[in-house]
Amino acid sequence: DQQVKQNSPSLSVQEGRISILNCDYTNSMFDYFLWYKKYPAEGPTFLISISSIKDKNEDGRFTVFLNKSAKHLSLHIVPSQPGDSAVYFCAASEIEGEDKIIFGKGTRLHILP
Amino acid sequence: DVKVTQSSRYLVKRTGEKVFLECVQDMDHENMFWYRQDPGLGLRLIYFSYDVKMKEKGDIPEGYSVSREKKERFSLILESASTNQTSMYLCASSLFGVGSYEQYFGPGTRLTVT
Repeated sequence: DQQVKQNSPSLSVQEGRISILNCDYTNSMFDYFLWYKKYPAEGPTFLISISSIKDKNEDGRFTVFLNKSAKHLSLHIVPSQPGDSAVYFCAASEIEGEDKIIFGKGTRLHILP
Repeated sequence: DVKVTQSSRYLVKRTGEKVFLECVQDMDHENMFWYRQDPGLGLRLIYFSYDVKMKEKGDIPEGYSVSREKKERFSLILESASTNQTSMYLCASSLFGVGSYEQYFGPGTRLTVT
């Protein structure tokens, strides 16, 4: 029973364009969301997060949007660069719950030259 | 800079062997986690620990055990390795408490069981 779903296993985007990665969740108790980026043979690195009191958080080229009513979040990367090619994991947690986060299965992003 | 290190990047073991994967963090984090990553399955939590001597089962603890004797060190043990435990193993750490959900990951150990 997947609580965090990333329905697109892979995505290809032209360099310079916008990359949009999507994530859905089922647990309405989740109130904190994170995105991680992972290169092959390396551990995931934290990218950006958002709490449920916000609907948008921006950090440079990366913006995360949260739609609580739809239980949906998305990560926008503008403009996409070759170094953005990686696997992106969406994750969620409950602030008042245990200190663990639930990860989605990941989306592999390919930035095309 | 947070540093999480794992004892081996690559490991090859035989079926039935006892395997130890070590993880050390240098940021005085209370929480430590072990995950495995498999293609198409994402990151799955095996075990985690909030404090020394404490451990909690994650989503897939079967076939694994853990040890946390010191705050900075969290070990994952495969009592009798099997081929279905061939995977990438990732250790992570984080601060304890509300709002501290950013986890810092080690580089991973790619374990092959033959």
